[in-house]
Amino acid sequence: KAGVTQTPRYLIKTRGQQVTLSCSPISGHRSVSWYQQTPGQGLQFLFEYFSETQRNKGNFPGRFSGRQFSNSRSEMNVSTLELGDSALYLCASSLRVSQDTGELFFGEGSRLTVL
Amino acid sequence: DQQVKQNSPSLSVQEGRISILNCDYTNSMFDYFLWYKKYPAEGPTFLISISSIKDKNEDGRFTVFLNKSAKHLSLHIVPSQPGDSAVYFCAASAAGTGANNLFFGTGTRLTVIP
Repeated sequence: KAGVTQTPRYLIKTRGQQVTLSCSPISGHRSVSWYQQTPGQGLQFLFEYFSETQRNKGNFPGRFSGRQFSNSRSEMNVSTLELGDSALYLCASSLRVSQDTGELFFGEGSRLTVL
Repeated sequence: DQQVKQNSPSLSVQEGRISILNCDYTNSMFDYFLWYKKYPAEGPTFLISISSIKDKNEDGRFTVFLNKSAKHLSLHIVPSQPGDSAVYFCAASAAGTGANNLFFGTGTRLTVIP
């Protein structure tokens, strides 16, 4: 069974640009969540999608947005990039909306560097 | 505002000994707690979890203890093996409220010395 796939794995952008990251969840998983990992803050929740609807959103500015398609694949977009957006962006999928097991399956992440 | 805290950024343990990783939380709404392990260049992988109705959960060499009154949980690894060397993240959720997001700590890097 293929795991969570994230593309691209690495990318470099300059301030002011925008970026789109893609995530393909495990087959059959309908919930996709996005997290930002930085050295000082650990993993911070961005948003969660289920059946093409945003179910929950973290404390990030509106420059961060996402969407989910009918095949459960998800994209996140960051506009007007800032230096502080440099991070590892992790996508995670799960089988259910209710995380009573809490088991998220993470991809390897997309490492974004903003110059 | 870090609601889940791992105050030890790193821990070194001899192979065969016990590793104890600690985690504190501030939000009393949290009712489900998890530990994830992360190797370099890989995403975090689920290790073990515990519901707030329990105070201990065991899975092989891994045991998680929860002290709700102290808002503290710990992960015990016995015996520690070199392959356990990784970054360990503590996470919590308020699943009972319907919120599905996890709050993560900043991680503890465990090094098991052969």
